[in-house]
Amino acid sequence: AQTVTQSQPEMSVQEAETVTLSCTYDTSENNYYLFWYKQPPSRQMILVIRQEAYKQQNATENRFSVNFQKAAKSFSLKISDSQLGDTAMYFCAFMSYNNNDMRFGAGTRLTVKP
Amino acid sequence: DVKVTQSSRYLVKRTGEKVFLECVQDMDHENMFWYRQDPGLGLRLIYFSYDVKMKEKGDIPEGYSVSREKKERFSLILESASTNQTSMYLCASFPNLFDRANQPQHFGDGTRLSIL
Repeated sequence: AQTVTQSQPEMSVQEAETVTLSCTYDTSENNYYLFWYKQPPSRQMILVIRQEAYKQQNATENRFSVNFQKAAKSFSLKISDSQLGDTAMYFCAFMSYNNNDMRFGAGTRLTVKP
Repeated sequence: DVKVTQSSRYLVKRTGEKVFLECVQDMDHENMFWYRQDPGLGLRLIYFSYDVKMKEKGDIPEGYSVSREKKERFSLILESASTNQTSMYLCASFPNLFDRANQPQHFGDGTRLSIL
């Protein structure tokens, strides 16, 4: 089974600065999806960004971008111009292209400080 | 707006009780999932279903069962609740593969279950 590792249980960043959250995964498959989800205190899981493994170009959504290194099985999330509302748990997730179950990392708790 | 609705936001039950957690989605998604979320462990898959009356075990199915009699509803059942099942439970639904590029996955707001 695939595994997803987030090695940073907690991180903090000053407002307006940039922070990078790490994620590595293990799979023998060639086609798959990777995701970053945000879970604020409201508990709602919010999809931040999605990357399809066959696409070489790194996904970008406004202030959020990823550094997808397929050979290294690494999928880090960069948040630019951090805002107080970015404070949340962030989960990295893997989904196989051929079946429908999703695997999550343990999460990184990000605190944005004023 | 599309939604995944979990029947309870907070639930308190006693050891040995049979507990039902309900999840309903209005997006006509084929796939539905139950996760439990614990600090330091992230989200762990309990069961998932890819069609009505179909179910597959996830990583931690012990002590749980599921039911999917209708496409929109996926129920998680704790047959005899135990204190180690105190956790946050999240339901999610996803479209089938050919839709996945254009349709996002959706999660419910979670049920925080306490077993006393």
